[in-house]
Amino acid sequence: EAGVTQFPSHSVIEKGQTVTLRCDPISGHDNLYWYRRVMGKEIKFLLHFVKESKQDESGMPNNRFLAERTGGTYSTLKVQPAELEDSGVYFCASSQDGFSPLHFGNGTRLTVT
Amino acid sequence: QQQVKQSPQSLIVQKGGISIINCAYENTAFDYFPWYQQFPGKGPALLIAIRPDVSEKKEGRFTISFNKSAKQFSLHIMDSQPGDSATYFCAASIASYGGSQGNLIFGKGTKLSVKP
Repeated sequence: EAGVTQFPSHSVIEKGQTVTLRCDPISGHDNLYWYRRVMGKEIKFLLHFVKESKQDESGMPNNRFLAERTGGTYSTLKVQPAELEDSGVYFCASSQDGFSPLHFGNGTRLTVT
Repeated sequence: QQQVKQSPQSLIVQKGGISIINCAYENTAFDYFPWYQQFPGKGPALLIAIRPDVSEKKEGRFTISFNKSAKQFSLHIMDSQPGDSATYFCAASIASYGGSQGNLIFGKGTKLSVKP
């Protein structure tokens, strides 16, 4: 079975630009999560989708971040406009249901200069 | 109250030794405690997990010890091998009462180096 895939693996953008990260969960996994690790800090929860619905977006830092999951398949996380403090590694994870283990992708390393 | 405190930050162990990583939490509503292993350039991968109704869980060389009264849990890696060198994260979540096991609160991670 294919794992969780994330695109791109790396992205370097300038402050003020827009970046869109994509996550393809494992096929059949209704639950999709976004996490972020800023350098030296812990991995932090951003939001949780169940199919196409946002179940919990309490971890989203501010309204510059927009997550979507059209059709309940892949998800995108858009940062607009990007700020320096948005730099970090963004992880996507999926699970079959709310009681199954998470499977993480390899992350997108975002650098905002 | 939502934090999970992990120690040590880094750990060097000789091959064949025992690696021990500790975590502490405050929120007594947490009911799912996984450990993740992460290699450079990869995402975290579930290693082993425990629920608070048991005090210990063992899978091969990896053991979780759980102390509910002290609100602490630890990972023990027996007979540590160079291939175990990675970053280890403890985490906690509230899986029951409408929560989601996947809404995890992570510790800051422990970088383990196993010397040959």
